[in-house]
Amino acid sequence: KNEVEQSPQNLTAQEGEFITINCSYSVGISALHWLQQHPGGGIVSLFMLSSGKKKHGRLIATINIQEKHSSLHITASHPRDSAVYICAVGTGNQFYFGTGTSLTVIP
Amino acid sequence: EAQVTQNPRYLITVTGKKLTVTCSQNMNHEYMSWYRQDPGLGLRQIYYSMNVEVTDKGDVPEGYKVSRKEKRNFPLILESPSPNQTSLYFCASSDREDQPQHFGDGTRLSIL
Repeated sequence: KNEVEQSPQNLTAQEGEFITINCSYSVGISALHWLQQHPGGGIVSLFMLSSGKKKHGRLIATINIQEKHSSLHITASHPRDSAVYICAVGTGNQFYFGTGTSLTVIP
Repeated sequence: EAQVTQNPRYLITVTGKKLTVTCSQNMNHEYMSWYRQDPGLGLRQIYYSMNVEVTDKGDVPEGYKVSRKEKRNFPLILESPSPNQTSLYFCASSDREDQPQHFGDGTRLSIL
């Protein structure tokens, strides 16, 4: 059972490109989270969304509750954006995670 | 500095030898959770705690125990570890279950 599906699994982009990572989920959620995991393994929370859109610097996250879909956009990508991006959904007390999108941005 | 501290960071041990991975947070968070991360499967929730003395099973609780005697600490106990518990483990905490989580740096366990 996969409550959360992400695409693509792997993504390579040239520096400066606009990037989109997609997340679909199949359960009722209280919130959706986007996480970033760097090569060293540490995980940081980028966004928490329950509706609409949020922006932080070059990162934009959107969610469509009716379609059970979220997207993470990176504008003007940079090599330091290279990381694994993970979509997670909270269903009250529990969390379910996508398997992640590995992004490599080439200079 | 706000942080979630896990120990040890790395451990190689043998089947059946009880071990404990400690997790401590200094943010007075109510919600704490343990996850394991495996290639191809992503992160999966093992146990979570809503507050002191309140714990519940996540998606993959078999073979694990937890306790929450104090608000800041949430240890993960493997009473009789087996090789299928070899994984990267993360502890996380948040103000409430519907808030962004702060993650520890991870503990890499190898069970031989």
